[in-house]
Amino acid sequence: DTGVSQDPRHKITKRGQNVTFRCDPISEHNRLYWYRQTLGQGPEFLTYFQNEAQLEKSRLLSDRFSAERPKGSFSTLEIQRTEQGDSAMYLCASSLANDEQYFGPGTRLTVT
Amino acid sequence: AQTVTQSQPEMSVQEAETVTLSCTYDTSESDYYLFWYKQPPSRQMILVIRQEAYKQQNATENRFSVNFQKAAKSFSLKISDSQLGDAAMYFCAATTSGTYKYIFGTGTRLKVLA
Repeated sequence: DTGVSQDPRHKITKRGQNVTFRCDPISEHNRLYWYRQTLGQGPEFLTYFQNEAQLEKSRLLSDRFSAERPKGSFSTLEIQRTEQGDSAMYLCASSLANDEQYFGPGTRLTVT
Repeated sequence: AQTVTQSQPEMSVQEAETVTLSCTYDTSESDYYLFWYKQPPSRQMILVIRQEAYKQQNATENRFSVNFQKAAKSFSLKISDSQLGDAAMYFCAATTSGTYKYIFGTGTRLKVLA
């Protein structure tokens, strides 16, 4: 068990570019979550998957955001046409059904 | 909708002393779970302690314990014998059975003074 991993750890991009982040959950965990954390705030829920099915999306997740979890393993979060307001830490977490969530180290996105 | 409120942006404690971090929550659900997570600087969040709402007994994990007041919707964290390594942001979170998505508070920064 190597924990939840995220790649890249840091991403700097120019406004208008597309970015994609990857999350690898703990292998036996069937649930995977994405959160966004801005400076001085607690994480905010974006979306979650049970196996490969995306079961809930937050209203924070605009049309420019899309997430996938093919085959119920790793997940990707893509942001199209990035805006400066997208600058944040993007956290991934995984869990078994009603167990606590284990968080990855996050991907820090800076949009210039 | 669920809400979680942490009213203390920052707290300080002397090493070896005890500190209590406050958290209140609001939910209309009867089946819910409460958590305290620790986020050290530039490191990932780790679970400190969890409490199931149906359990009357307060959870305890070594030096960490909670005071769960269900009627008051209060869930405070007590850290005993504080250590320098306890310095971090502490987040209170709530979730309900069904979605298990977390609703977080805004966090409390804990400083431990040597």
